[in-house]
Amino acid sequence: AQSVTQLGSHVSVSEGALVLLRCNYSSSVPPYLFWYVQYPNQGLQLLLKYTSAATLVKGINGFEAEFKKSETSFHLTKPSAHMSDAAEYFCAVSESRYTGFQKLVFGTGTRLLVSP
Amino acid sequence: GAVVSQHPSWVICKSGTSVKIECRSLDFQATTMFWYRQFPKQSLMLMATSNEGSKATYEQGVEKDKFLINHASLTLSTLTVTSAHPEDSSFYICSASREFGEVGIQYFGAGTRLSVL
Repeated sequence: AQSVTQLGSHVSVSEGALVLLRCNYSSSVPPYLFWYVQYPNQGLQLLLKYTSAATLVKGINGFEAEFKKSETSFHLTKPSAHMSDAAEYFCAVSESRYTGFQKLVFGTGTRLLVSP
Repeated sequence: GAVVSQHPSWVICKSGTSVKIECRSLDFQATTMFWYRQFPKQSLMLMATSNEGSKATYEQGVEKDKFLINHASLTLSTLTVTSAHPEDSSFYICSASREFGEVGIQYFGAGTRLSVL
């Protein structure tokens, strides 16, 4: 069975500092990996996805993530945090790319706090 | 594009009553929609997969007679919590899926907070 572990329920950074949100996954087949962001009172929004095309994936808002098979990790980074990045971030894994069979398994989320 | 609307955003009901939650894909057709449940400080847990025109597929441990799902059109899926009880109080989130290149992408609604008194 697939699973996702997000280390750190809260991560605090200063504006302009590096953002690193950790995600480790478990999957019995080559995984499809996703990072979603949730702002207050809004639905989850896709930041980026890994589909085996490239190990370094660039997403929206300056975020990127690197797939490391040997470490079963898919950590999310951003070189310089902005106040608007404060939100809840979810990592998710799926064993299928097909919409009808794409059961997403989510991590417990990491709340990113950005201080001035 | 790819907007998913969920209604209502918050509902309070008495124990024993039924509550219907709607999930609409506003600008695309979704053959598959998903329903999730989220408990405080916990992850989203998949409840069921809903395909247009067919019966929903429920995850293990989810009571299909308690959580009725209808996916009557390519843009609308509904979740009805029947005979709701306080333990059904939770945050319910839907998503609608569409193909995006080499993988399907799920687009999420903002969620419905259900409080059962």
